[in-house]
Amino acid sequence: KAGVTQTPRYLIKTRGQQVTLSCSPISGHRSVSWYQQTPGQGLQFLFEYFSETQRNKGNFPGRFSGRQFSNSRSEMNVSTLELGDSALYLCASSFLAGGPGEQYFGPGTRLTVT
Amino acid sequence: GESVGLHLPTLSVQEGDNSIINCAYSNSASDYFIWYKQESGKGPQFIIDIRSNMDKRQGQRVTVLLNKTVKHLSLQIAATQPGDSAVYFCAENYGGSQGNLIFGKGTKLSVKP
Repeated sequence: KAGVTQTPRYLIKTRGQQVTLSCSPISGHRSVSWYQQTPGQGLQFLFEYFSETQRNKGNFPGRFSGRQFSNSRSEMNVSTLELGDSALYLCASSFLAGGPGEQYFGPGTRLTVT
Repeated sequence: GESVGLHLPTLSVQEGDNSIINCAYSNSASDYFIWYKQESGKGPQFIIDIRSNMDKRQGQRVTVLLNKTVKHLSLQIAATQPGDSAVYFCAENYGGSQGNLIFGKGTKLSVKP
């Protein structure tokens, strides 16, 4: 069974631009969560989607948004990029929603904002 | 590979020795705890979890201990192998909501052959 895949793996953007990251969960998994990982703040929860609905949202500004499609694939978007948005963005999928449980992480997308 | 932390605490052990990685959690209401392993260039990998109604749980070569009195969690790895070299994170959760999952900063485990 294929794992969680994220595209692209690396991305360089300029301040003010916007970016869209993609995540394909493990087949059969309907819950997708997104996390931001930085050296200073560690891993921080962004949002969770289940059956195309956002179930939870972390403490991030409205510039961070996401969505989930009917095939459970998910995208996250960051608008008006700031230097501080440089991070590793991870998505994780799980079969069940609503609890952290056993979730499977993808390799991440490394975003660098210059 | 990806750098997950510039100033992480580091634990260096000899191959074959046992490793103990510690974690202090912040919320006395947390009722579920998870340990993750993150290798360079990869996302975190679930290792083992424990609920607050337990104080010990064992897996394959790993044991998690929970001390709610002092809000402390530890991960013990038996017979540490070079493949165990990674960054290890604890995470705490309360209320069962994904949004309430709080991760620790991590400890880097380095195994010397």
